[in-house]
Amino acid sequence: NAGVTQTPKFQVLKTGQSMTLQCAQDMNHNSMYWYRQDPGMGLRLIYYSASEGTTDKGEVPNGYNVSRLNKREFSLRLESAAPSQTSVYFCASRLLAGTETQYFGPGTRLLVL
Amino acid sequence: DAKTTQPPSMDCAEGRAANLPCNHSTISGNEYVYWYRQIHSQGPQYIIHGLKNNETNEMASLIITEDRKSSTLILPHATLRDTAVYYCIVKGSGGSNYKLTFGKGTLLTVNP
Repeated sequence: NAGVTQTPKFQVLKTGQSMTLQCAQDMNHNSMYWYRQDPGMGLRLIYYSASEGTTDKGEVPNGYNVSRLNKREFSLRLESAAPSQTSVYFCASRLLAGTETQYFGPGTRLLVL
Repeated sequence: DAKTTQPPSMDCAEGRAANLPCNHSTISGNEYVYWYRQIHSQGPQYIIHGLKNNETNEMASLIITEDRKSSTLILPHATLRDTAVYYCIVKGSGGSNYKLTFGKGTLLTVNP
C-alpha cells in the first residue's frame, strides 16, 4: 500500500495563477482532508470530505475549492493564487468512522511569488 | 474538545526511554487521547490512542492516569530518527467536528 500520496511535491506559482493539488489514498478510507501548515504554526483544516460525494468547509476555506472525484481522490484547487497561500499542504484520510486516526501524505510545498 | 498542555521541548539520550507528558484536565468521559508526531518536513504520523486503559503498539506505549487528567507517551528505546514534534490531542469520537487540532506539541530531540 502506498498510503496517502500527493502531487506535486513542490510548486512555484506567480500571483494570480491557478493550480490543483492532487491527493489519493489506497486504504479504502471514507473521509479525506486538506490542511495547511505555516511556519511555526499547527495544521489548519481547509476543507474535508466526510464521505464520497460530500465536501465541507474547514476553518480556512477562502481562496480554495475542492473536488472529491471518487472514494480514492480528493483534489484542492487554487483559482487565483496569492502570496498568503504560500504554505505546506497536507492531505489526510481517516480510517474509520468513530475514531480520529488520520493518515497523512508527505505534503506539497507551495511558494506563491 | 478538551485542551492539552505539553512542555515545549525535551531531550533524550539515544537508547534510553523517552517519556512525553500531556495534561488534559478538562477531558470528558467519551474523549480519547491521541498522539501524533511530525518529523521535520514530513506529514504528521499517527502513533497511538487510548480511552482509559494503557495501550501499547509497535511504536510506543500510552499510560493514562486513573483520573484521565494526564497521560504519558513512552518511546521505550529512542533513536535519532525519533527526533520530532509530538502532539497530544484529545477528541471525542464521531460528531460533526472532524478537525484535528494540532497545538504546538513537544519537540523531542534525541541526542547521540
